[in-house]
Amino acid sequence: QVQLMESGGGLVKPGGSLRLSCTASGFTFRDYFMSWIRQTPGKGLEWVSYISGSGDSIYYADSVKGRFTISRDNANNSLFLQLNSLRAEDTAVYYCARDFTTDWYGGWFDPWGQGTLVTVSS
Amino acid sequence: DIQMTQSPSSLSASVGDRVTITCRASQGISNYLAWYQQKPGKVPKLLIQSAYTLQSGVPSRFSGSGSGTDFTLTISSLQPEDVATYYCQKYNSAPYTFGQGTKLEIK
Repeated sequence: QVQLMESGGGLVKPGGSLRLSCTASGFTFRDYFMSWIRQTPGKGLEWVSYISGSGDSIYYADSVKGRFTISRDNANNSLFLQLNSLRAEDTAVYYCARDFTTDWYGGWFDPWGQGTLVTVSS
Repeated sequence: DIQMTQSPSSLSASVGDRVTITCRASQGISNYLAWYQQKPGKVPKLLIQSAYTLQSGVPSRFSGSGSGTDFTLTISSLQPEDVATYYCQKYNSAPYTFGQGTKLEIK
């Protein structure tokens, strides 16, 4: 069955960096857009970024643009999110999700990984 | 950016009740709307996409409707296992945005 597994979360100081990974299985990874979505108790669910199957189409939420970088390795069925210049407000559970976006219209997310917690605190 | 507003923010209903949650977009989004269910301590799960298309395996007591700016998620007969927070998400174009969630409890 389709599975997604995130890793790489942890405690980091403001201004620090972290790299999240997501390993996919059970589907043809290169055929799908993939997204990162984060969840905080205070702000609910926030979509962060997507990347196309080939990697040539990328989009970021304004809140992370210029600080986060999404990438993928189709040979190893892996998705990444590089988090730089981290702020306290980036504290959240980060989920990767298979994204049903296509070249012509946006999409929904199914399934989601189990999430990895990023805590930004001094 | 298009904002998504859900109402109510929380809801308490009895087993067997018909429950309706609404989601309003600040601009028209055609039928590019999904609904998710997040049970306590669990990961969000897709229930409905394209405003009314039920995902495989989702009980038929769940249904979605609407187009343009106003959408509803209906549970025809509330069951104890439906206790969860429900989110709408618009996906006509990026950036994708979610509603703030509706927390559903059993009375």
